[in-house]
Amino acid sequence: GAGVSQSPSNKVTEKGKDVELRCDPISGHTALYWYRQSLGQGLEFLIYFQGNSAPDKSGLPSDRFSAERTGGSVSTLTIQRTQQEDSAVYLCASSQTDRGRRYGYTFGSGTRLTVV
Amino acid sequence: DQQVKQNSPSLSVQEGRISILNCDYTNSMFDYFLWYKKYPAEGPTFLISISSIKDKNEDGRFTVFLNKSAKHLSLHIVPSQPGDSAVYFCAASTGNQFYFGTGTSLTVIP
Repeated sequence: GAGVSQSPSNKVTEKGKDVELRCDPISGHTALYWYRQSLGQGLEFLIYFQGNSAPDKSGLPSDRFSAERTGGSVSTLTIQRTQQEDSAVYLCASSQTDRGRRYGYTFGSGTRLTVV
Repeated sequence: DQQVKQNSPSLSVQEGRISILNCDYTNSMFDYFLWYKKYPAEGPTFLISISSIKDKNEDGRFTVFLNKSAKHLSLHIVPSQPGDSAVYFCAASTGNQFYFGTGTSLTVIP
């Protein structure tokens, strides 16, 4: 596609429920990031996928968070047993190999998650 | 621990004047620095980057300055335009990770 697509754009869920957030990166982009932005905070790194390499999961805040990337393209971020502190905008970004460090990553519009 | 800090949450500038957005960092291992611009309800968009081996990079109205000894980064926008009103994030990278500041909301007054 022309840009990074994320769905849903908004999600309201009850505390304790599981949610799945989807990211469609730009075709051909091998690098994919998930970030989240809580109210009044900067972007917090969650996870990084690069090609077929093992993902860098060092930013995942707890074991309730997991992500996968199927076929090197679409990625899904899953949050189990959601808590109110999980409420944030979840952003996905992609880039060609390591060009993102110099030329920037392309971000999607994000998924606004609200846990009530 | 915030490795990248933007200490000014907001800035207002008159149209046509210079906007200066500042960013400080703590990790001397950062090797690339980037500025992103974000409009409400949209993802951040890449503006300009600079390698740690340089001290200045210019792209049209946007210039980024890097002072490694002070661990300080700044973005200059000249002349400022109303369409520049947005939240600006600085980011720094080492290895695979980017670290973002909390953003500065710029308002350019017509």
